[in-house]
Order: sequence, then structure tokens, then C-alpha cells
Amino acid sequence: QITLKESGPTLVKPTETLKVTCTVSGFSLTTDGVGVGWIRQPPGKALEWLAISYWDDDNRYSPSLKTRLTTTKDTSNNQVVLTMTNMDPLDSGTYYCAHTTGFGELGYWGQGILVTVSS
Amino acid sequence: DVQMTQSPSALSASVGDRVTITCQASQDISDYLNWYQQKPGKAPKLLIYDASDLAAGVPSRFSGGGSGTHFTLTISNLQPEDFATYYCQQFDNVLFTFGPGTKVDVK
Repeated sequence: QITLKESGPTLVKPTETLKVTCTVSGFSLTTDGVGVGWIRQPPGKALEWLAISYWDDDNRYSPSLKTRLTTTKDTSNNQVVLTMTNMDPLDSGTYYCAHTTGFGELGYWGQGILVTVSS
Repeated sequence: DVQMTQSPSALSASVGDRVTITCQASQDISDYLNWYQQKPGKAPKLLIYDASDLAAGVPSRFSGGGSGTHFTLTISNLQPEDFATYYCQQFDNVLFTFGPGTKVDVK
């Protein structure tokens, strides 16, 4: 079955760079159409889409955050990494990765990782 | 960029009620509209994709409708496990956008 799991630091300081890794199983990151999306959720607030990394290395980013975001794929380890620079306390929240078949749905989600930005 | 709005932002209902949530897109998105349910402390769960198709394992009391800019999620015969927050999400073949959410709680 398809599973995703986020890992990374749970506490980062302001101005630091965050790297969150999504380790997947049950599907291949190189299958036509497949993508891994990134979504975050500040405590008590709504979901916010951040980025998507597709099977063909096409990457798309939220226009409001694109200067700070990068996604990379490590197919040998079945991992996708989200990098966000210049972290701010307002970036605190739960970061999720999710699987898409390429048709816009996010059908499988990781459990999320809670990241706090504080000095 | 496509913006999404939802109404209401919150509603109170009783078990057995019929509940309808509305989602509006700022431009025509055809049927590229999905609905998710999220419970506290949990990841969102896909309920409806392509505006009206039920995701695997989702009870048939959930239904979706609409196309273009106006969409609905209806829960008929609300069950105790349905009290949650519901989000719509669009895909314009490039970017994804979530709506602000609708919290369904107990009346």
C-alpha cells in the first residue's frame, strides 16, 4: 500500500533553512504522472499548498513562496526533500507530503511533522 | 492565480441532518475540484475528486457536485464521525489552492 512519512527537525531558528524529507513506499517516484506535493498548516489554521515535485523532475511552487522553496528527489532512496529558506516564526506549523497521480487530487498523505520556528 | 472561497466558515448540525458546504473558484476550473475531511491532529483525507467522484472507501452519504466556479459538498444523514473540518482544493494543471475550510460541529 502507498505510504508517506515526513522527517526532519522539529525546531529551527529564525533565518535558518528548513529541510523536510518525505520517504515514500508502495509507489515509484518515476512512474508517469506521479507527484509528491507539500502542504503546511499553521496551528488552528487552514491548509496551504507549497509545492509539487513530479516524476519527470517538473517542480511547481506556490507563487507567494517560490523564492524560498526548492524540492529535490532521491529516487534511489524513495525520498523527496522540501527546502525552505529564511524561516520565520510565521512558518511554524505542520508540514505534510502527499501523493498525487497527476490529476490534481492528493490521495495519500503522510502523518505530518510539526515544525516550530523560534530562537 | 485561482482563489477559493468556502461558505459557511462554520456550521452546527445534529446527527441525521443533511449538510451542504459551498466552494467557489475565482475562475473556471472545470471539474478539477477535490474535497477533504480533516479531524483534529490528523492528516486530511480525500473524500471527493473531480468534483463528484467518491474516493475509495468513502461512505455514499458524501456527495459532490458542480463545475466551472461553483461546487458543493453534501453530507446526507450526518454521522457522529463526520464532525470535522472540510476543505475544497482546486488544480488548474499547474498550481494547487485550498479553500479556507468549513468546520462542522455539534449543535
